[in-house]
Amino acid sequence: DAGVTQSPTHLIKTRGQQVTLRCSPKSGHDTVSWYQQALGQGPQFIFQYYEEEERQRGNFPDRFSGHQFPNYSSELNVNALLLGDSALYLCASSVLTGLNRNTEAFFGQGTRLTVV
Amino acid sequence: AQRVTQPEKLLSVFKGAPVELKCNYSYSGSPELFWYVQYSRQRLQLLLRHISRESIKGFTADLNKGETSFHLKKPFAQEEDSAMYYCALSYGGSNYKLTFGKGTLLTVNP
Repeated sequence: DAGVTQSPTHLIKTRGQQVTLRCSPKSGHDTVSWYQQALGQGPQFIFQYYEEEERQRGNFPDRFSGHQFPNYSSELNVNALLLGDSALYLCASSVLTGLNRNTEAFFGQGTRLTVV
Repeated sequence: AQRVTQPEKLLSVFKGAPVELKCNYSYSGSPELFWYVQYSRQRLQLLLRHISRESIKGFTADLNKGETSFHLKKPFAQEEDSAMYYCALSYGGSNYKLTFGKGTLLTVNP
């Protein structure tokens, strides 16, 4: 099991452009969460997807959107990129149990986005 | 709003010395508290969670609701403990939305 995989590992975009980041969850996991980690900060929750729907959202503008596919993989899209969007974007996967609780979140290595 | 504070950005100790990484939180309800660790060039991984009440790699953490703290402790630090440590909080009965502190970089010197 490769665990949580994210692609690409690094990318550079120009201000105003749009970007799509991808995440494949750990085998057997059905829930994907996205986090933004700015330099020197802890990860900040963006949103979570389960059954192809956004289940919970953090304090991020609508420029940040996502999608989950039937195979549980997920994409994070950011429109109209700003310099402040430069960060490490982390994907975490888990399993939603019958008690409406999530199991341990496993994190990917992240995608380093630089906006110039 | 919930908040997690890790007052030390950097912590340096010698091998064999005790180590304590501080974590304070603010949340009016009953949160779940976690410690995550990130070793050099590795991904973020769960170290321990307060509901498990277990010791991992010699580390323990006790939730003190009166002081709203969840400090991470180890009696004898090892060089391989050098890493970035993040305290995190979840609420609402699930761990799907984690609020992280800014992290403490622990360096264990030989």
